[in-house]
Amino acid sequence: SQTIHQWPATLVQPVGSPLSLECTVEGTSNPNLYWYRQAAGRGLQLLFYSVGIGQISSEVPQNLSASRPQDRQFILSSKKLLLSDSGFYLCAWSVGQWVPEQYFGPGTRLTVT
Amino acid sequence: AQSVTQLGSHVSVSEGALVLLRCNYSSSVPPYLFWYVQYPNQGLQLLLKYTSAATLVKGINGFEAEFKKSETSFHLTKPSAHMSDAAEYFCAVSDLEGAQKLVFGQGTRLTINP
Repeated sequence: SQTIHQWPATLVQPVGSPLSLECTVEGTSNPNLYWYRQAAGRGLQLLFYSVGIGQISSEVPQNLSASRPQDRQFILSSKKLLLSDSGFYLCAWSVGQWVPEQYFGPGTRLTVT
Repeated sequence: AQSVTQLGSHVSVSEGALVLLRCNYSSSVPPYLFWYVQYPNQGLQLLLKYTSAATLVKGINGFEAEFKKSETSFHLTKPSAHMSDAAEYFCAVSDLEGAQKLVFGQGTRLTINP
């Protein structure tokens, strides 16, 4: 069966520090991968998605970037964190055009101080 | 472009009462629709999905949803609420293209009163 992992689970970082969040999927090949951010009391905002290795699409211009160095690995990064980057970051995957549902990881709680 | 509107950011029901969470969608093509549930500090879990088969869709934990094209609705119901149903619920529509992006509603927080 497929599983998705995110780490770290929680992170407290000072303003201006770098960020690297990692997401890996097991048990499937060539998944579509997604990064979402959920601010306190708000819905989900799609940040990036990827349909293959090295292919990254950005939905919202911002202080973050994403990379997909391997088929089942998706990384969210920042060179300098802002207070507004605080939130709950969720990674998700889906497979195939006719199976559109997405499956979510456990999330990373990021607090920028 | 697809969009989803969830009516009511907070819904409160008594234990044992009917749960009704409302979702209306806008889509230029026949949609794929989803309901997800999120417990505190966790990821989203798929409750059920509509993919143009039966209009009444049954999901996990006793939830079901009915697709009504004429009303562009996909409301989520459960006949009898349990305390464990307290969570945030999200309705979503798929754009059916390329990367299969989902467009989410703003969510409805369900509270169950004992």
